[in-house]
Amino acid sequence: SQQGEEDPQALSIQEGENATMNCSYKTSINNLQWYRQNSGRGLVHLILIRSNEREKHSGRLRVTLDTSKKSSSLLITASRAADTASYFCATGQYAGGTSYGKLTFGQGTILTVHP
Amino acid sequence: KAGVTQTPRYLIKTRGQQVTLSCSPISGHRSVSWYQQTPGQGLQFLFEYFSETQRNKGNFPGRFSGRQFSNSRSEMNVSTLELGDSALYLCASSLPSGRNPNTDTQYFGPGTRLTVL
Repeated sequence: SQQGEEDPQALSIQEGENATMNCSYKTSINNLQWYRQNSGRGLVHLILIRSNEREKHSGRLRVTLDTSKKSSSLLITASRAADTASYFCATGQYAGGTSYGKLTFGQGTILTVHP
Repeated sequence: KAGVTQTPRYLIKTRGQQVTLSCSPISGHRSVSWYQQTPGQGLQFLFEYFSETQRNKGNFPGRFSGRQFSNSRSEMNVSTLELGDSALYLCASSLPSGRNPNTDTQYFGPGTRLTVL
């Protein structure tokens, strides 16, 4: 079963605009990761934010985490056509040491950036 | 470093057959996780191996199994294939984990697309 929901399910923007995607989750987490997937290929890791962090940056990416609301957002600034892909959030839980290696993914947001 | 590799990339099988997929992790990574991705269910965790031991298992029937070798390479096997097993199967590797789960970034391979006819 999926951990939570991603919003919006699809996002269409013009090159140069910013894209914001949101992710909500249900259980307590140790970390939250964002991944990109191009057209049914493998997932590319974008950024990991720990449960004790509130914001993290990597290049044009900015991720926030609000554990009180169990939500995260991914902002891509100055988007490019090459950013067109599906974006997934994934949470890692380690309660009781029984969740090794398991990431629970959201449904994903399909981002289309028009040149 | 070379990334995670998966073979084969594409596979077509018929119902009732069995299939074995292979995954070679990034050098030095000892944890390998497997996921199934379908349009209906999304990305779902199958199992994870570390030092040749299955440490975690998702909610899949016993037809799905796996193993890990001493060089950390992993295989997954699906027996008695069903139409619903058609999916993209992804493996991911990460550094030794458990002690510091906050660094458990998983690196994914390109996937094996399995079609069951």
